This record gives sequence, structure tokens and C-alpha cells, in this order.
Amino acid sequence: AQTVTQSQPEMSVQEAETVTLSCTYDTSESNYYLFWYKQPPSRQMILVIRQEAYKQQNATENRFSVNFQKAAKSFSLKISDSQLGDTAMYFCAFMKPQPGTYKYIFGTGTRLKVLA
Amino acid sequence: DAGVTQSPTHLIKTRGQQVTLRCSPKSGHDTVSWYQQALGQGPQFIFQYYEEEERQRGNFPDRFSGHQFPNYSSELNVNALLLGDSALYLCASSLLAGSQETQYFGPGTRLLVL
Repeated sequence: AQTVTQSQPEMSVQEAETVTLSCTYDTSESNYYLFWYKQPPSRQMILVIRQEAYKQQNATENRFSVNFQKAAKSFSLKISDSQLGDTAMYFCAFMKPQPGTYKYIFGTGTRLKVLA
Repeated sequence: DAGVTQSPTHLIKTRGQQVTLRCSPKSGHDTVSWYQQALGQGPQFIFQYYEEEERQRGNFPDRFSGHQFPNYSSELNVNALLLGDSALYLCASSLLAGSQETQYFGPGTRLLVL
């Protein structure tokens, strides 16, 4: 069974600085997807970034980028120029597509606080 | 473009009661998944509905059941509520056809069982 581990329960960063959130996963599959979701205190989960395992190039979305190391089964999220609005829980998720279905497996989350 | 909506926002029940939670998927989506998120934890997969059928189920007892309607909306039913069922219940939708499995989440229903 696949597992997702986020080893940093809480982190803080100064506004405008850069922070990296860690995620490791365990799978024997070769075709899968990885995601980072953000859950602000208002609680709605928002997709931050998505990475397809077959793509070697790391995904980027504006200030958010990932470091995807497939052999090491590592998927870290880098947030550049941190803003107060980045304060939230961040969840790493693994998804293996199957015929006619799929399932997301989430980590336990990292609580990020951006300090003014 | 309407996102995923859920109702009600909050709900208080007592042990042994039954509850029904509702979800309308994002416009154009045909697949609905339900998750339970305990306080301070990541979401745990309950089950997924596509074409009005349960396609996959997580490690949850039969007290948890669901339904998907022809308009793709979905219900989550929980019978014989336990204190441990208190959690945030999240609905997520996606478009399964074309391998667009990126999920979009609703705001959730906070269930408190007393």
C-alpha cells in the first residue's frame, strides 16, 4: 500500500523569504501523480501544484515549485517570496490512476505560518 | 463557474443517530469522492462514485454509505453515529474521462457527534 509522509508538523517563515516543505512517499508503481494542496484556516482545500511522475521536469506555478526526485521518492514544495496569505496547512498527496477509478492518499500535513 | 458545494456547513448529532451530507460537483465534473478529515489530520478516503456506482472504497465500515444521482451530485450517509465520527467531511470532484483526475474540493461539512 502506498504511504505519504510529511515529517514537518509545523514550520514558520518570514514574509518575503523562501521555505521548503518536505514530502516522501512509498510506492512500487511507476505511473502516478503527486499533488500539493493548501488548506487555509477557512478550511477549503486548494490545489497548489501537480506533478506527473513520467515528467522529469519539475512543475512550477508562479511562486510555487517542486523538487521531484523519483528515485528517492521525494516531492518537496518550495514557496518563494512568502506572503501572509500563504499561512495554511499544506498537504502532500499521492494518486495512482486505475481503470475507471483512482484514489488520493494524503500525508498528515505541515502547518505553515508566515510571519510579518 | 460554480465550484464544489456542500451542505450543510455544520451539523450536530447525538450518538446512534443517522446523518446525510450532500455535495454538488464542480460544473462539468462527473466523479465525486468523499473524505473524512479528523482534527489535525490529513483527509482519509471514504469512497468514490462515478456513473452512479461506488467505484472504490477506503477502510470505512458499512455504516458509511453513499449515492450518486444522474446529475452527478452525491450524498454521504452515516448510520449509528459514534463519537469518533466527529470530523470535517470533504467532497471532491473531478472529470474521470480523459484522465483528468485532479480533484477540486468543497468547503466541507463539520459534523459534531455528542
